[in-house]
Amino acid sequence: DAGVIQSPRHEVTEMGQEVTLRCKPISGHDYLFWYRQTMMRGLELLIYFNNNVPIDDSGMPEDRFSAKMPNASFSTLKIQPSEPRDSAVYFCASTPLPSTDTQYFGPGTRLTVL
Amino acid sequence: KQEVTQIPAALSVPEGENLVLNCSFTDSAIYNLQWFRQDPGKGLTSLLLIQSSQREQTSGRLNASLDKSSGRSTLYIAASQPGDSATYLCAVKIIQGAQKLVFGQGTRLTINP
Repeated sequence: DAGVIQSPRHEVTEMGQEVTLRCKPISGHDYLFWYRQTMMRGLELLIYFNNNVPIDDSGMPEDRFSAKMPNASFSTLKIQPSEPRDSAVYFCASTPLPSTDTQYFGPGTRLTVL
Repeated sequence: KQEVTQIPAALSVPEGENLVLNCSFTDSAIYNLQWFRQDPGKGLTSLLLIQSSQREQTSGRLNASLDKSSGRSTLYIAASQPGDSATYLCAVKIIQGAQKLVFGQGTRLTINP
């Protein structure tokens, strides 16, 4: 298996622009997680899905952030409009069963908002 | 609210030494605890996962222990090598509420040749 795939790996955009991050989980994993990592706050969970359904989005910072999972093999995290404070590394992870299994992380997308 | 703390934030040791990384958590109601490794510019790789009913897990030169009652875990690395240089994060899987991991801030480890 290729592991969790994220694209793009790097994104540089200007404040106010829309940003879309993409994730392909490992086949057969029913849970998908979006995380954000910054120096100040460390690694934080933004939202997670179970069988394509959003279960907990309490970590999404504000309405500018939205996430979708239209099918079992694809998810997007969208920021509209983007702001400089959104600059971070965004990770996607998947797992078959979170209570007993590890989460497998993608390589991350480094977002810079100018 | 579960909080995870890792001390020290950074550690530098000469090659060949045995070392211990520490992780503490405030709420003992956890499903499991994991240790991850993160290399610069890369994602996280799971090293060891300890279920709440277990006391320790071993993989090669790595040994992780869990003491739920005291809210502590340690990651022991034997005979350290320069390739072990990375940031090590611990994370607990909480029982209450959402199926999510709560991460510590990590320990940045440097092994000097």
